[in-house]
Amino acid sequence: GAVVSQHPSWVICKSGTSVKIECRSLDFQATTMFWYRQFPKQSLMLMATSNEGSKATYEQGVEKDKFLINHASLTLSTLTVTSAHPEDSSFYICSARPGTTYSNQPQHFGDGTRLSIL
Amino acid sequence: AQKVTQAQTEISVVEKEDVTLDCVYETRDTTYYLFWYKQPPSGELVFLIRRNSFDEQNEISGRYSWNFQKSTSSFNFTITASQVVDSAVYFCALSGRQAGTALIFGKGTTLSVSS
Repeated sequence: GAVVSQHPSWVICKSGTSVKIECRSLDFQATTMFWYRQFPKQSLMLMATSNEGSKATYEQGVEKDKFLINHASLTLSTLTVTSAHPEDSSFYICSARPGTTYSNQPQHFGDGTRLSIL
Repeated sequence: AQKVTQAQTEISVVEKEDVTLDCVYETRDTTYYLFWYKQPPSGELVFLIRRNSFDEQNEISGRYSWNFQKSTSSFNFTITASQVVDSAVYFCALSGRQAGTALIFGKGTTLSVSS
C-alpha cells in the first residue's frame, strides 16, 4: 500500500537552531502534501499545503518565514523550522494524497516528527 | 466552513464494555469524505475507515462499527467488547474530494480501557 516516510522521528536541539523535516511519498506521486502540527493533548491542525513546483499555502496564523516549505519534486516535501524556539516544540506530521484534482484516494500520513527545542 | 465536533473529550470504560465515540460534522460540500483515525501513545496515526458522503451504509469490521447518518451529519464509531489495546486518542476527520483539500480533524476523544 501507499507509504509516506517522514524523517527524522525525533529531534532535540538548542534554541536558535534550524531544523529540517522531510516527507517522502515512497510509491506514489503527490502534487500536494500537507503539514500538520499537534501540541500535546490537542488535535492536529493544518499548518500549510505544499504544492509541487509552487509556493506553499499557509493557514492563518502560521508564519511563512519561520516555517519554510519546499516541494521540489513529486515525492518530496520539506519543512524547515527556522531559528526554532521552545514554543515551536511540537509533533509535526505530514500527509500526501495520491492522484490529481478529483482524486478519491485517501491521504497517507507519515509517522510524525517530535521536535523538542531546549 | 468545514468543522468536525467530537463532544466527548475523555471516555473511560472497563474491558468488554461497548463504547461509542460521537462525531458531528459541518460542510457545504456535496461530495466529501469522513474518516476515523486512532492515535496510540507512540503518536502515529492509524487509519481506521473512510466513508464517502454518498455511501450511508453502516460498516462493521471485527469489533469496530460505524454509523453514518447524513440527516444528522453524524459519523459515530462503536467499539464492541473493548480491550485495553483500544486505549488511544481517536480522531474523526473530514475532507473534500479534491486532492488539494486537507483533512479537518475533530479535537479527538481519549479512550481509556481498564482491565
